[in-house]
Amino acid sequence: AQRVTQPEKLLSVFKGAPVELKCNYSYSGSPELFWYVQYSRQRLQLLLRHISRESIKGFTADLNKGETSFHLKKPFAQEEDSAMYYCAPGNDMRFGAGTRLTVKP
Amino acid sequence: DTEVTQTPKHLVMGMTNKKSLKCEQHMGHRAMYWYKQKAKKPPELMFVYSYEKLSINESVPSRFSPECPNSSLLNLHLHALQPEDSALYLCASSQRGPGGGQPQHFGDGTRLSIL
Repeated sequence: AQRVTQPEKLLSVFKGAPVELKCNYSYSGSPELFWYVQYSRQRLQLLLRHISRESIKGFTADLNKGETSFHLKKPFAQEEDSAMYYCAPGNDMRFGAGTRLTVKP
Repeated sequence: DTEVTQTPKHLVMGMTNKKSLKCEQHMGHRAMYWYKQKAKKPPELMFVYSYEKLSINESVPSRFSPECPNSSLLNLHLHALQPEDSALYLCASSQRGPGGGQPQHFGDGTRLSIL
């Protein structure tokens, strides 16, 4: 089975600071990984997928096969980034535990 | 239409009632999912339908009964639920099923309360 681990349940940063949300995966073969975001009172939605290699809302995520990681990064956090973030393997529909990001003013 | 629509938004029911949750998508997706989400927890996978056939049942109690009448509709029939079943029930769809590597589109969920 394909599994992901998000080691931090809570992450708090100040506005304008860099932020990194960690995700490690544990399966062999070619991984397919996603980041989803759930803002307060909004539906769970896709933020990034690793094969697209794009930046959404200033966030990027790079697949590191050597470290089996897919960390989500943003150089300058904004208050509106406060939300729950879930890492998920694309070949398995079971989510990581999630990280609640709070960006303080 | 790029949305997954769930009805009702809220449902309060007694432990002896029978009710159904409904989910609909018109994106031509061939996989549909039910998740249960408790407060401050990640969504927990319950069922997966792939090409209208049940492909995954995560050992869900039989008081939850899924149904996929066609490729656009997914139901979750509820009977004799327990108070611990109170949660947000999310429906999702994806272009292909598990193993297909496609992202999921989620509905807003049905907030279920069992009295």
